[in-house]
Amino acid sequence: LAKTTQPISMDSYEGQEVNITCSHNNIATNDYITWYQQFPSQGPRFIIQGYKTKVTNEVASLFIPADRKSSTLSLPRVSLSDTAVYYCLVGDDNSGYALNFGKGTSLLVTP
Amino acid sequence: GAVVSQHPSRVICKSGTSVKIECRSLDFQATTMFWYRQFPKKSLMLMATSNEGSKATYEQGVEKDKFLINHASLTLSTLTVTSAHPEDSSFYICSAILGGPYNEQFFGPGTRLTVL
Repeated sequence: LAKTTQPISMDSYEGQEVNITCSHNNIATNDYITWYQQFPSQGPRFIIQGYKTKVTNEVASLFIPADRKSSTLSLPRVSLSDTAVYYCLVGDDNSGYALNFGKGTSLLVTP
Repeated sequence: GAVVSQHPSRVICKSGTSVKIECRSLDFQATTMFWYRQFPKKSLMLMATSNEGSKATYEQGVEKDKFLINHASLTLSTLTVTSAHPEDSSFYICSAILGGPYNEQFFGPGTRLTVL
């Protein structure tokens, strides 16, 4: 199983861009990289997924270098409501689903 | 997006009793659902994979007789915590996969279990 490593916590001010990097050195060829957001006492919510290069949606961008050993979630102009824990997952070898949550990154956005 | 519900959202029970938690996919059918447990300030830990019409697959270290999973229909999976003890107090979260292009999980809102 590909293990992920993220910073434990990050702080940001409102309006800034936040980049959260995740390391996954032993990612498998078929693994996708998926990011989830979790607010306290709620289930996680899907943010974005990618395989290589760059993916962008209405919420975030995901940058993946050619070697795919890391990925960076980019949140543009964060607001207070973006305060949450962000998890990076890579696909499970057996099922193809990304099921193993690492420790995540706790993002605190302040005024 | 797809909606997954859980019931109850919060339950308090006495030690030794059993508690059933329901997970429903409201607007789609899910042949596979997942159950997680999350302790305070910790990450989600996968407990088991619930497969419709067959036995659940449990992760290493999770007692199948302690955490009974039944996936009787394409929209409902239940987790029963049998003979609950205080150490079973946790946040239990289920998820389902819609099967779209991302195979992302749609999570329920979670169930807070407190065993006295």
